[in-house]
Amino acid sequence: GAVVSQHPSRVICKSGTSVKIECRSLDFQATTMFWYRQFPKQSLMLMATSNEGSKATYEQGVEKDKFLINHASLTLSTLTVTSAHPEDSSFYICSARGTATSRPEGQYFGPGTRLTVL
Amino acid sequence: AQKITQTQPGMFVQEKEAVTLDCTYDTSDPSYGLFWYKQPSSGEMIFLIYQGSYDQQNATEGRYSLNFQKARKSANLVISASQLGDSAMYFCAMREGPGNFNKFYFGSGTKLNVKP
Repeated sequence: GAVVSQHPSRVICKSGTSVKIECRSLDFQATTMFWYRQFPKQSLMLMATSNEGSKATYEQGVEKDKFLINHASLTLSTLTVTSAHPEDSSFYICSARGTATSRPEGQYFGPGTRLTVL
Repeated sequence: AQKITQTQPGMFVQEKEAVTLDCTYDTSDPSYGLFWYKQPSSGEMIFLIYQGSYDQQNATEGRYSLNFQKARKSANLVISASQLGDSAMYFCAMREGPGNFNKFYFGSGTKLNVKP
């Protein structure tokens, strides 16, 4: 099946610093990528949708200047958490969809990145 | 209104028994897809089963089956012959519309514990 990777899997940073998370589709071209945030014992909340080569569409309540998303190629999307604060600590998951996905769900999740801001 | 509702925050089941995880959904779109995912403690989202709104038969994938009751807008997951490795969070999700690129709506999840 299709594989999506995320890097890093775990990151700890100091308050005020920026953190970049990468999401890569390894064996298919991802025309659309989604970024989710999941707080402990809660559901996945969609943050934004990004299409290759265009600006991301953010969900209501998500600060676009804080969570910068770049979908520069068909295999890579990045999420940068700028000036991170402890309340940004969360599990961030990406998912990727492409034109060649054969399964009906057509969406493949990355393994997630656990961000801890001290 | 909530798009996906999972009313069971936690469930216990004895190993080798069957368990049903409830999911109801809300949409006015005639075309939609319903999904179940398993999330173990590692955090990865594992796709389990899919049901399309126009599918006539209930979906099955190995030990997983989806009890699709369209009129009641429910899409319950049935796990037969539970195994210890089934202990995890389970999320029901919906995608509205026919497109493969539409966003997903997730329920709040059910934590399943399988007892030996």
